[in-house]
Amino acid sequence: SQQGEEDPQALSIQEGENATMNCSYKTSINNLQWYRQNSGRGLVHLILIRSNEREKHSGRLRVTLDTSKKSSSLLITASRAADTASYFCATDAWGNNDMRFGAGTRLTVKP
Amino acid sequence: DAGVTQSPTHLIKTRGQQVTLRCSPKSGHDTVSWYQQALGQGPQFIFQYYEEEERQRGNFPDRFSGHQFPNYSSELNVNALLLGDSALYLCASSSLRTEYEQYFGPGTRLTVT
Repeated sequence: SQQGEEDPQALSIQEGENATMNCSYKTSINNLQWYRQNSGRGLVHLILIRSNEREKHSGRLRVTLDTSKKSSSLLITASRAADTASYFCATDAWGNNDMRFGAGTRLTVKP
Repeated sequence: DAGVTQSPTHLIKTRGQQVTLRCSPKSGHDTVSWYQQALGQGPQFIFQYYEEEERQRGNFPDRFSGHQFPNYSSELNVNALLLGDSALYLCASSSLRTEYEQYFGPGTRLTVT
C-alpha cells in the first residue's frame, strides 16, 4: 500500500517560475526522499531528508519536512523545460527496509 | 562506474506464463530491492534481498519470487502471469553505507496479454 500522497496531482508552469509540490504521509518515518521520473523510465534520486532535519537544499531544490504535520514539500526554483517529469516522495520507517511511494506529481514546464 | 542495469528492457508474455527479470546493482552495492509500478501510480515495494536472503517482503503473492547471487545481482520471477501483472518493474540497489538512498535502474516494461 502507498504511504504518501503528493499534491497536486498535476502542475503546469512557465519556464523560470518556481514549482512547489507537497507530500503527506501517514506513519512515523525515518527518512523522506524525493525522486524524479521521466516518461515511465527509472527513478532518479533527488534528495534525502532525515526525520530530525527540517530543511535541505541541493542546487535549485529545496525540501522541507514537518514531522508534526507528517508532510514535506519540494520547491524547484527557476524551473526549466528539462524539469518536466513526475516527482515522487518516498518514506521509510525505523526497522523497515521498504520504501513507500506516493502516486506522484506530474510537473510540466512550458518553454 | 556502471549504474543499476536491468534486462530485458521490454517483454511481452501471455497469461499463465512465467517470466524472469534481471538486475545488476551499482558497483559497491550489496542490497537489491524490487518494485512494481503500474501506469500512473507510484512504485510498490515487492521485496528486498541482502546477503542472498529475502530480507523483507511487501504485499505481493507467492507468485512473485526472487533470488540474489553471490555477485549481488538479482532476479525477479513471476509465475502464472495475470493481466494485472503488466507494469514497469524497477530494481533499486543500495548499501549499508548509503543505507536508505536507493539507486534505480531503467526498469523492465512487462506486458501480459
